[in-house]
Amino acid sequence: GENVEQHPSTLSVQEGDSAVIKCTYSDSASNYFPWYKQELGKGPQLIIDIRSNVGEKKDQRIAVTLNKTAKHFSLHITETQPEDSAVYFCAASIISGGYNKLIFGAGTRLAVHP
Amino acid sequence: GAGVSQSPRYKVAKRGQDVALRCDPISGHVSLFWYQQALGQGPEFLTYFQNEAQLDKSGLPSDRFFAERPEGSVSTLKIQRTQQEDSAVYLCASSLEDRPLYNEQFFGPGTRLTVL
Repeated sequence: GENVEQHPSTLSVQEGDSAVIKCTYSDSASNYFPWYKQELGKGPQLIIDIRSNVGEKKDQRIAVTLNKTAKHFSLHITETQPEDSAVYFCAASIISGGYNKLIFGAGTRLAVHP
Repeated sequence: GAGVSQSPRYKVAKRGQDVALRCDPISGHVSLFWYQQALGQGPEFLTYFQNEAQLDKSGLPSDRFFAERPEGSVSTLKIQRTQQEDSAVYLCASSLEDRPLYNEQFFGPGTRLTVL
């Protein structure tokens, strides 16, 4: 089955720096890659997603890139702010029975220091 | 509007007890998912409902786990004879479409279950 690996597990940056989180997936049939942000005591919240027919997508300070050949996708956060501190999860979606079953990475704990 | 709600937010059970966790999805959302999130890990898929039909329960770890959504709205995840390894956060998510290929899953805050 699908396996998603995520690195690094923890990331500490200074406010204003950039942060990059990388994920790899195993199943070449995966075609949808969302990123979720989880704050303490809350459920994951979608921040950006990308489909397999797109190589890059950007939304303000957040961008995601996808390399289907290498089965890599990455999250880039520019001009980080303290409120970006949270756990970030990547996921890969397998179409199963007509719906997208999400397989999550283990998460990256991002700390942005003022 | 109201998001996905879950209750209770915290549950402590003695080993061997049965527990029931409730999920209220966003009104009108057809699809409902349950996930298990162990400490320091990402969510792991448990089961999927389309309205009242349970279309996929391949992620349920054992026959002690049972989920239902009898009227196609509220869902209950039941765990019988709880074990310590069942300790985790149980997340519920809902999605608007009946075949959510690319549609966002909206997550609830989760229920933290601790089995002593």
